[in-house]
Amino acid sequence: EAAVTQSPRSKVAVTGGKVTLSCHQTNNHDYMYWYRQDTGHGLRLIHYSYVADSTEKGDIPDGYKASRPSQENFSLILELASLSQTAVYFCASSDPGQRGDTQYFGPGTRLLVL
Amino acid sequence: TQTVSQSDAHVTVFEGDSVELRCNYSYGGSIYLSWYIQHHGRGLQFLLKYYSGNPVVQGVNGFEAEFSKSDSSFHLRKASVHWSDSAVYFCAVRGTGGYKVVFGSGTRLLVSP
Repeated sequence: EAAVTQSPRSKVAVTGGKVTLSCHQTNNHDYMYWYRQDTGHGLRLIHYSYVADSTEKGDIPDGYKASRPSQENFSLILELASLSQTAVYFCASSDPGQRGDTQYFGPGTRLLVL
Repeated sequence: TQTVSQSDAHVTVFEGDSVELRCNYSYGGSIYLSWYIQHHGRGLQFLLKYYSGNPVVQGVNGFEAEFSKSDSSFHLRKASVHWSDSAVYFCAVRGTGGYKVVFGSGTRLLVSP
């Protein structure tokens, strides 16, 4: 079965600190995505990648970097964490060549920046 | 620009009732439409999708959705809900020529016993 895992599942960070969120997929998908979800809101796209060693900006990339060292792994990096980055972060993978492009989501990482 | 609107932030029904969760979209070309479910503290899970053909599509656990081009809608329905259907439901749209999926803000469904 398709699987996307994320680590850590939750994290408390200090303002100005560096945070790295990791995502691993075993779906053999080329596309991977990072979204953030704020309470009571939908998902907003931060970064995405369609091939290893390449990342693209999504709708809200400011304050975030991404890294895709391999097809299976996709990281989101907050170099200088800020209070406004407190949110739940979801990683997803998909195969856009598949009609309808179902997205497979990880369980999420709950980040609290103090 | 693609937009997805879910007009009801909260819907409360009793177990055994039917329910319809509304989704309207705005997009100028061919699209894929999907519904996802998110249980508390979990990631989103795919329910169903529409691309072409029969405008009524069946999903898992008795859910179905109907596409209407004239109304720019893709409403989700279930004939008889169970308490375990309590969750947040997201409508999503993607252009067939693109990569980006746009999600609605979600509808929280609460099924009372």
